[in-house]
Amino acid sequence: GAGVSQTPSNKVTEKGKYVELRCDPISGHTALYWYRQSLGQGPEFLIYFQGTGAADDSGLPNDRFFAVRPEGSVSTLKIQRTERGDSAVYLCASSLKGGLEEYFGPGTRLTVT
Amino acid sequence: DAKTTQPPSMDCAEGRAANLPCNHSTISGNEYVYWYRQIHSQGPQYIIHGLKNNETNEMASLIITEDRKSSTLILPHATLRDTAVYYCIVTTSGGGADGLTFGKGTHLIIQP
Repeated sequence: GAGVSQTPSNKVTEKGKYVELRCDPISGHTALYWYRQSLGQGPEFLIYFQGTGAADDSGLPNDRFFAVRPEGSVSTLKIQRTERGDSAVYLCASSLKGGLEEYFGPGTRLTVT
Repeated sequence: DAKTTQPPSMDCAEGRAANLPCNHSTISGNEYVYWYRQIHSQGPQYIIHGLKNNETNEMASLIITEDRKSSTLILPHATLRDTAVYYCIVTTSGGGADGLTFGKGTHLIIQP
């Protein structure tokens, strides 16, 4: 079946601009996660949704980062006033419910110039 | 979640068994050991997990020591496609409220 998909696969933006990254989880998965991965590092947790609500957003680095999942399926990660330090691969994962193995998408590579 | 320690890199000959160690000496009784791997330019992929018994699936075997302070992931017949970064993660669940805490993992290189 279809796995987790993320769009766009690559995004180049200028410093100070706003970007949106989209995640389509596996159908029926209620839990959705966002991670950020910098070069040479493991993924870093950002936020976890159970259904429509953000159950844990403790990993968001600051208030420029925000994520939504209005209908409990597709999620959008939004970054305002992008900075060069935001450049990374943003990974989305879903699981059947929280606490089970996670299935990751291919990621969106964000480059802020 | 307990901290894990893994060697930064390992080599293994194609066709041989690859044994990847992980130390998790501060693991607590309700924490599981999970293994994921990440092939270059892809998202991480779940491999296997266990609590205290050894586990085997179609991808790998997981051997957990009796005191649960360390574990070994075994790929029985490594192929070139197994070249990847392997992450050992200790967590009270597969993710849940805290997500997964990844370290730097072990870069396994399968040599032809």
